[in-house]
Amino acid sequence: AQSVTQLGSHVSVSEGALVLLRCNYSSSVPPYLFWYVQYPNQGLQLLLKYTSAATLVKGINGFEAEFKKSETSFHLTKPSAHMSDAAEYFCAVTSSGGYQKVTFGTGTKLQVIP
Amino acid sequence: DARVTQTPRHKVTEMGQEVTMRCQPILGHNTVFWYRQTMMQGLELLAYFRNRAPLDDSGMPKDRFSAEMPDATLATLKIQPSEPRDSAVYFCASAPGQGASGELFFGEGSRLTVL
Repeated sequence: AQSVTQLGSHVSVSEGALVLLRCNYSSSVPPYLFWYVQYPNQGLQLLLKYTSAATLVKGINGFEAEFKKSETSFHLTKPSAHMSDAAEYFCAVTSSGGYQKVTFGTGTKLQVIP
Repeated sequence: DARVTQTPRHKVTEMGQEVTMRCQPILGHNTVFWYRQTMMQGLELLAYFRNRAPLDDSGMPKDRFSAEMPDATLATLKIQPSEPRDSAVYFCASAPGQGASGELFFGEGSRLTVL
């Protein structure tokens, strides 16, 4: 079985401040981990993914995430928040080795304050 | 620009009516997922298909929901009869073949309101 837990359903940051969205995973096999972003009235789009290569993964729009096996974490960060980053962010996990069920976290809504 | 296409984008219907949502996956993708998104439950996996065969539909209420892939370019999700608790946004996502990295490509969703 696999699951992800996102800590904090809502996060507010000031424009220009560090963004940190937390995700912890549980998986009995080596996982693939993802962060997706959802803007209002749109589907989810991939921000970045970890597939057992480099543990520090860089994605689009200046986001990055670090896979820490010892902490079973895959937190999403961005050094400086922009107003356009306001959206909902989902962490997701699947098993490595081909397509299995993809399980999403409950999402974190990011508010950016001017 | 390849994308997953879902229709209708919005649907308002009355309780008891049949609802059919359609999805055209990205050409060449052989894995298709149906998710439901609500405020209370978040994103729930309803069913997924590989090479048109259902692999897992354990998340779907069997008495009223059905999902099919009549061909490789069309996936359908039917609700009959619909109930107010089915009101949600239904997303279809597709992915390329086994061995790929697990990324899903989402459509823009079908927003269903059952009165």
